[in-house]
Amino acid sequence: QQQVKQSPQSLIVQKGGISIINCAYENTAFDYFPWYQQFPGKGPALLIAIRPDVSEKKEGRFTISFNKSAKQFSLHIMDSQPGDSATYFCAASFYGTSGTYKYIFGTGTRLKVLA
Amino acid sequence: DAGVTQSPTHLIKTRGQHVTLRCSPISGHKSVSWYQQVLGQGPQFIFQYYEKEERGRGNFPDRFSARQFPNYSSELNVNALLLGDSALYLCASSGTTEAFFGQGTRLTVV
Repeated sequence: QQQVKQSPQSLIVQKGGISIINCAYENTAFDYFPWYQQFPGKGPALLIAIRPDVSEKKEGRFTISFNKSAKQFSLHIMDSQPGDSATYFCAASFYGTSGTYKYIFGTGTRLKVLA
Repeated sequence: DAGVTQSPTHLIKTRGQHVTLRCSPISGHKSVSWYQQVLGQGPQFIFQYYEKEERGRGNFPDRFSARQFPNYSSELNVNALLLGDSALYLCASSGTTEAFFGQGTRLTVV
């Protein structure tokens, strides 16, 4: 119930194409869904996040689509660029009884954008 | 504004040794969490501290311990190192909802 399932494991996209990464969760207590971008040897960087009261959030070329009934959310990268080549992690978070937010991460998607 | 800083960036230890990793959160953030990231996998939760108290513990053996200091910086300690402890150790700093990660400490156990 605490898992976040992420797919695909790897993705190859042509420059200018759309990259789509999907995540699914079970626990309805999750109320915050961020995406992180990680380059080799670096820590994950917060990219974009959404709460379940909206179905879509867009920031530049990055869009999160959220389907509350299906318990799924996805990251869309429009006009993908070689510089977007990185590993992307989805996460789900809930406010725990300890008074802090708890994060569960997906397994990651390695994106390669071909020039 | 400084982000989350971790030290050291890289570390090589021998099996059976002890290691201490350090983290300084973003100024004003009172919550620090530690994660282990094995190559090719997502971060796995180890500990969370808030206001110097442990607020969560992941499924890691007692060889792993942590603490948070009055200035909200934190240390992760690992005793009796095993080869399987080789990983990128990440510290995340939170003010409210958002979590921001440091660059990590790459620990190699030989």
